[in-house]
Amino acid sequence: EIVLTQSPGTLSLSPGERATLSCRASQTVTSNYLAWYRQKPGQAPSLLIYGASSRATGIPARFGGSGSGTDFTLTISRLEPEDFAVYYCQQYGDSPLTFGGGTRVEIK
Amino acid sequence: QLQLQESGSGLVRPSQTLSLTCAVSGGSINVGGYSWGWVRQPPGKALEWIGYIYHSGYSYYNPSVKSRVSISVDRFKNQFALDLTSVTAADTAVYYCARGTSQSLLDIWGQGTLVIVSS
Repeated sequence: EIVLTQSPGTLSLSPGERATLSCRASQTVTSNYLAWYRQKPGQAPSLLIYGASSRATGIPARFGGSGSGTDFTLTISRLEPEDFAVYYCQQYGDSPLTFGGGTRVEIK
Repeated sequence: QLQLQESGSGLVRPSQTLSLTCAVSGGSINVGGYSWGWVRQPPGKALEWIGYIYHSGYSYYNPSVKSRVSISVDRFKNQFALDLTSVTAADTAVYYCARGTSQSLLDIWGQGTLVIVSS
């Protein structure tokens, strides 16, 4: 199975700052089928990015995804209060589907 | 707008069977091209995909639970179900149901339900 490693484990930033989250795969992600989810406390994950770089419906432009092959990045250009949460990457190109361990974005 | 809602027992005894149902509203489970599946999250830990079933009836399960898991669809009730047998404390988690697209992208999720395995 494809193992996804997210870094850093925790990111401490202030509102308005830029966040850069990394996701590295143990092997090439088929068709760049890589998604990013945001999980707020006590809530289900919510889809942000799919296909490595396409924003899901209703997701604001401050969220951007990039990368291909084994290295992927989620960038949040200016952090809003609701963005302080945990972010997961997930590959859906091969079974079993797998998730990364998550990156927590906390208020500095 | 499609919505998913999990229900089932919140407490299961060790060695027993965990059974959950996901009700689909705002759309039909009979529409082709989608899969219906389950993801779980132990307290304070990351997400783990359990498996899915397609409209055709084809199902695929994570090897980590494959010998104990079954996912089924009830087309008349517009819902799908998860059964996990021989549970242990390691199966304690929030269980989410989710819809998958034809590419297996999990685009719509239920709110989740906590299941505790304890005697």
